[in-house]
Amino acid sequence: SQQGEEDPQALSIQEGENATMNCSYKTSINNLQWYRQNSGRGLVHLILIRSNEREKHSGRLRVTLDTSKKSSSLLITASRAADTASYFCATGGGGFKTIFGAGTRLFVKA
Amino acid sequence: DAGVIQSPRHEVTEMGQEVTLRCKPISGHDYLFWYRQTMMRGLELLIYFNNNVPIDDSGMPEDRFSAKMPNASFSTLKIQPSEPRDSAVYFCASSERGEAFFGQGTRLTVV
Repeated sequence: SQQGEEDPQALSIQEGENATMNCSYKTSINNLQWYRQNSGRGLVHLILIRSNEREKHSGRLRVTLDTSKKSSSLLITASRAADTASYFCATGGGGFKTIFGAGTRLFVKA
Repeated sequence: DAGVIQSPRHEVTEMGQEVTLRCKPISGHDYLFWYRQTMMRGLELLIYFNNNVPIDDSGMPEDRFSAKMPNASFSTLKIQPSEPRDSAVYFCASSERGEAFFGQGTRLTVV
């Protein structure tokens, strides 16, 4: 069964706008990770946030984690057409088992 | 390092045939994961290894699926006999207690 659930399932925005994706999970975690997948390719790791962290930045990416609500958000600022991809959250728990959600499909229109 | 290497990239086989997917993890990584991705079911964790030992195979769908990791640099996922519903992209990933690095996947089509 899925551990993480991304929301929304699909998102379409204009280039330059910000994109926000959310992830909810069910059980306690050691860390939460976000990945990007371009069509037909493997997943690429974007950012990892540990359970004792609340916010993390990497370039145009901002990730927040609320362990009390068992949720995380990924914000992509000033989006570009090249950001068009599917975005997955993944939770790492005991034994570093990494479980992925169903993903959010982001489409950035030029 | 060349990253996680999977072979073959594409495999088309007839129902009932044995299929073997191969993975070479990144050197030094002690975790290896096999995932299956389909439109209907998304990305499913099939099995993962730590230091070549299978830790959790609860995601393996049926006894037709088996995975081995004979050494730190090689793993196989075998399907015998294969069925059309096994058609999917199979990903191998390795990690060192954190971010997972994915291979390019093997697209399996069973006809």
